[in-house]
Amino acid sequence: ETGVTQSPTHLIKTRGQQVTLRCSSQSGHNTVSWYQQALGQGPQFIFQYYREEENGRGNFPPRFSGLQFPNYSSELNVNALELDDSALYLCASSLVGRINTEAFFGQGTRLTVV
Amino acid sequence: DQQVKQNSPSLSVQEGRISILNCDYTNSMFDYFLWYKKYPAEGPTFLISISSIKDKNEDGRFTVFLNKSAKHLSLHIVPSQPGDSAVYFCAASANFGNEKLTFGTGTRLTIIP
Repeated sequence: ETGVTQSPTHLIKTRGQQVTLRCSSQSGHNTVSWYQQALGQGPQFIFQYYREEENGRGNFPPRFSGLQFPNYSSELNVNALELDDSALYLCASSLVGRINTEAFFGQGTRLTVV
Repeated sequence: DQQVKQNSPSLSVQEGRISILNCDYTNSMFDYFLWYKKYPAEGPTFLISISSIKDKNEDGRFTVFLNKSAKHLSLHIVPSQPGDSAVYFCAASANFGNEKLTFGTGTRLTIIP
């Protein structure tokens, strides 16, 4: 067990709606990253938050946004949902600033957009 | 632009034999490589990693080999056990893990009893 928890585990939303996914980092970690995993693909990097600021972003539009809180928990917000946003969303926490640092993942939130 | 490639979508191995999963990468900036295992309805679980300053790292039944000149790494599992049946993802990072992870598309390993 990694100590990274995500909520909710499953979610169904309608196209055009907005969604907020939540992640609680592993104790002692200072960085949270979010990934999107479509069916049959590997996880794709969305963005990373370090010390409450965005610290790197993948090829995702601005309607994907995030927050990191002082306790290192995090939110992923997606506006104007599209059908292609249906995927497993994974949160990973790590301790940036250390050599050879691993990222530990939560169980994911399965988002279905209808 | 697939910077990390796992060319075998699936692999079946007899229980007790060796499982070898392969991964290729194209980005020379990658200096840290990781293997994750994923069961259905769960997040990826970290298995083993290797830094670019090494060519081998071993942890119990799992060994990862890195060939920098060929930009190739492999994960060896020996002996294979039924509980090893899962999807295995190869991932790469720059700055010794402090940058984002770039994942391959995964290999589904099935261990046949």
